[in-house]
Amino acid sequence: DIQMTQSPSSLSASVGDRVTITCRASQSISSYLNWYQQKPGKAPKLLIYAASSLQSGVPSRFSGSGSGTDFTLTISSLQPEDFATYYCQQSYSIFTFGPGTKVDIK
Amino acid sequence: QITLKESGPTLVKPTQTLTLTCTFSGFSLSTSGVGVGWIRQPPGKALEWLALIYWNDDKRYSPSLKSRLTITKDTSKNQVVLTMTNMDPVDTATYYCARYWSGPSNWFDPWGQGTLVTVSS
Repeated sequence: DIQMTQSPSSLSASVGDRVTITCRASQSISSYLNWYQQKPGKAPKLLIYAASSLQSGVPSRFSGSGSGTDFTLTISSLQPEDFATYYCQQSYSIFTFGPGTKVDIK
Repeated sequence: QITLKESGPTLVKPTQTLTLTCTFSGFSLSTSGVGVGWIRQPPGKALEWLALIYWNDDKRYSPSLKSRLTITKDTSKNQVVLTMTNMDPVDTATYYCARYWSGPSNWFDPWGQGTLVTVSS
């Protein structure tokens, strides 16, 4: 089974900050990596697919990069609506989600 | 507009079988490349993928839960059903269904609102 880790597990940031979240796979997953945003009490929402492709309707301040085992999600300028938990998910071999990174207000 | 909605019991007893239904609209499960998956989330914890059914009736299950899960589809009704046997309190979670797209890349989007299932005697 492919295991996913994320760092940090949580972070505090201010509006306007640049935020970077890292996701690592236990083996190479090429670019089969997606990022989701989840707000409290809501279903996850797809942000980035195939490591770096922005889902339709998602603001351009979100970006993804990486391939193989190491990936990053970057929010270029954090907005109030971005405070949420972010999950990476691999789809190279069935599916595994990372443990999540909670982004809250500093 | 694509929507999905989960339905089923909110409370089940230990050892019972859980049956959840995902009713969707805005897409067809007979379209090549399309699937519907189930994902759960225990309170305060991370997401866990459970099962997936493809347009061609191919099925995939989480290895750790495979013996307890069955996923089926009724294309004419736009429904996907997940059954989980031998429920335990650790299975208490919000259960989501989501459309799956498989192509050069693949993902789950959109998701249903989720349904909270509590396992307790």
